[in-house]
Amino acid sequence: AQSVTQLDSQVPVFEEAPVELRCNYSSSVSVYLFWYVQYPNQGLQLLLKYLSGSTLVESINGFEAEFNKSQTSFHLRKPSVHISDTAEYFCAVTNTGGFKTIFGAGTRLFVKA
Amino acid sequence: ETGVTQTPRHLVMGMTNKKSLKCEQHLGHNAMYWYKQSAKKPLELMFVYNFKEQTENNSVPSRFSPECPNSSHLFLHLHTLQPEDSALYLCASSQEQGIGNQPQHFGDGTRLSIL
Repeated sequence: AQSVTQLDSQVPVFEEAPVELRCNYSSSVSVYLFWYVQYPNQGLQLLLKYLSGSTLVESINGFEAEFNKSQTSFHLRKPSVHISDTAEYFCAVTNTGGFKTIFGAGTRLFVKA
Repeated sequence: ETGVTQTPRHLVMGMTNKKSLKCEQHLGHNAMYWYKQSAKKPLELMFVYNFKEQTENNSVPSRFSPECPNSSHLFLHLHTLQPEDSALYLCASSQEQGIGNQPQHFGDGTRLSIL
């Protein structure tokens, strides 16, 4: 069985400060890892994904996440956040067989001026 | 524009009404999903269709009835709903179930309110 834990339900941060949103998972099989973002009144959008290869993956808007197999983590980071990054962020895990995707409960990032 | 369109965006209905939610995807995908998103709860997978065949029903009450006439369209028929069914209902699609390295593409959802 798979599970995903997002350790923080809300993260308030000031603009231009760094942020880390934490995600831990458990699985008995190999997995693919995803981060999705949900802006107000919208659906989820893919932010970045780890499939294989380099453990550090980046998005086009400055976010990055690092796959750590030993710690079963896939934390999301950004060195300097903007007001427009205010949204809810979901970590998701899919087994490599592709038949089950599990989403975390979400972390609400609130960027303050 | 995500390639997945949901209508209506908002729906208010009484407990005795019958209504339907519609989802259409223009991505050439073969798998489609219904999710329920309630405040302060994790995303709940409701139904999955792969190549028009239902492959998953996560113990969803029978007052929710899905329909997938083709790989591009997905409906959720609603009848005799309860107040706790008020939520955001999200539709998603992916290339096909079983290809785990492909992400899901979501619509903007239908905000459902039960009076």
